[in-house]
Amino acid sequence: SQTIHQWPATLVQPVGSPLSLECTVEGTSNPNLYWYRQAAGRGLQLLFYSVGIGQISSEVPQNLSASRPQDRQFILSSKKLLLSDSGFYLCAWRLDADTQYFGPGTRLTVL
Amino acid sequence: QKEVEQDPGPLSVPEGAIVSLNCTYSNSAFQYFMWYRQYSRKGPELLMYTYSSGNKEDGRFTAQVDKSSKYISLFIRDSQPSDSATYLCAPTMNSGGYQKVTFGTGTKLQVIP
Repeated sequence: SQTIHQWPATLVQPVGSPLSLECTVEGTSNPNLYWYRQAAGRGLQLLFYSVGIGQISSEVPQNLSASRPQDRQFILSSKKLLLSDSGFYLCAWRLDADTQYFGPGTRLTVL
Repeated sequence: QKEVEQDPGPLSVPEGAIVSLNCTYSNSAFQYFMWYRQYSRKGPELLMYTYSSGNKEDGRFTAQVDKSSKYISLFIRDSQPSDSATYLCAPTMNSGGYQKVTFGTGTKLQVIP
């Protein structure tokens, strides 16, 4: 069966510091991968998606970037965090089915 | 107008009640419809998905879609305290080679023992 991991689970960072969040999927090959952000009181916002290694598409302009260095690894980064980057970051994967499955999430607080 | 509207609640019901959770959407290009359940501080988990108008049942859960009125519902029978969570509707379409899911903001449900 497939499993999706995210780390860290919780992160507190100062404004202006860099960020690296990691997502890995086990038990599948060449999944579509997604990064979402869920801010308090708001719906999930799609940030990036990837259909393959090195292929990244951005949905909205922001202070973040994504990379997919390996088939089952998806990384979300920032060079300088803003207060508005605080939120719950979720990685999701999709293979053939018309559904997405989510990881446990990373709760980021920028102070 | 938001693409997906969902009453944020909270909705409080006694244990055993029938719960109705609803969403409306505006984009007729949505092809299929998912419901996710999200417990506090956890990632969403997929509950059900359906393609066509009509009902789809899975245990205590029934998903209902009316494409003509752009209205989707999730019914929970014999609600349990363990059903207390936020429920997200997620109309979806395939767009430009990827799956575009538009999430509602979620309805928070509390089932009181």
